Amino acid sequence: NAGVTQTPKFQVLKTGQSMTLQCAQDMNHNSMYWYRQDPGMGLRLIYYSASEGTTDKGEVPNGYNVSRLNKREFSLRLESAAPSQTSVYFCASSADRGGRSPLHFGNGTRLTVT
Amino acid sequence: RKEVEQDPGPFNVPEGATVAFNCTYSNSASQSFFWYRQDCRKEPKLLMSVYSSGNEDGRFTAQLNRASQYISLLIRDSKLSDSATYLCVVNNGDSNYQLIWGAGTKLIIKP
Repeated sequence: NAGVTQTPKFQVLKTGQSMTLQCAQDMNHNSMYWYRQDPGMGLRLIYYSASEGTTDKGEVPNGYNVSRLNKREFSLRLESAAPSQTSVYFCASSADRGGRSPLHFGNGTRLTVT
Repeated sequence: RKEVEQDPGPFNVPEGATVAFNCTYSNSASQSFFWYRQDCRKEPKLLMSVYSSGNEDGRFTAQLNRASQYISLLIRDSKLSDSATYLCVVNNGDSNYQLIWGAGTKLIIKP
């Protein structure tokens, strides 16, 4: 019963470094999402993939890229990390496009950029 | 005005009491409504969907008021384990069906 698996759980980067956050789901869900959560704010959508082979920008896509590698996997890449990207990142999946069915989340990645 | 607004709290409530939260949303075209629960430093988890006629799940009751554009969550006989942040989630009513998240209401149940 893994659900949504995210790696890594914690990461510290220096400004300008790059990294990729990995996410995989085993629920055969069509849609996958990357969110960031900052103190005092709601979850904000970075990118989403409504189905395998498609990706779209969310509310805060600048500084990020994504890849929907296959139906199971959806990765998030920071090409040149900035302190403003210090946040908690959550990957999620849903059976269909968000808003119609609930989201299942991974455990989150706590990223600090110094 | 934020698209989804919640009182951040914290609500400090004695064990066994009844507590209610409201959440207002700005888009009258929104069609899907959810309450999620998030424990400290954990991922959000679905608590319940909110249906037009209102719905109940054990000690939890959710209501939707479309005319005034708010949803509510009522927790009866509160338990220590109910301490968490409760997130209101609304879809944006557009064709891409994206979800808009409130910042959450923090609930602390005291013994």
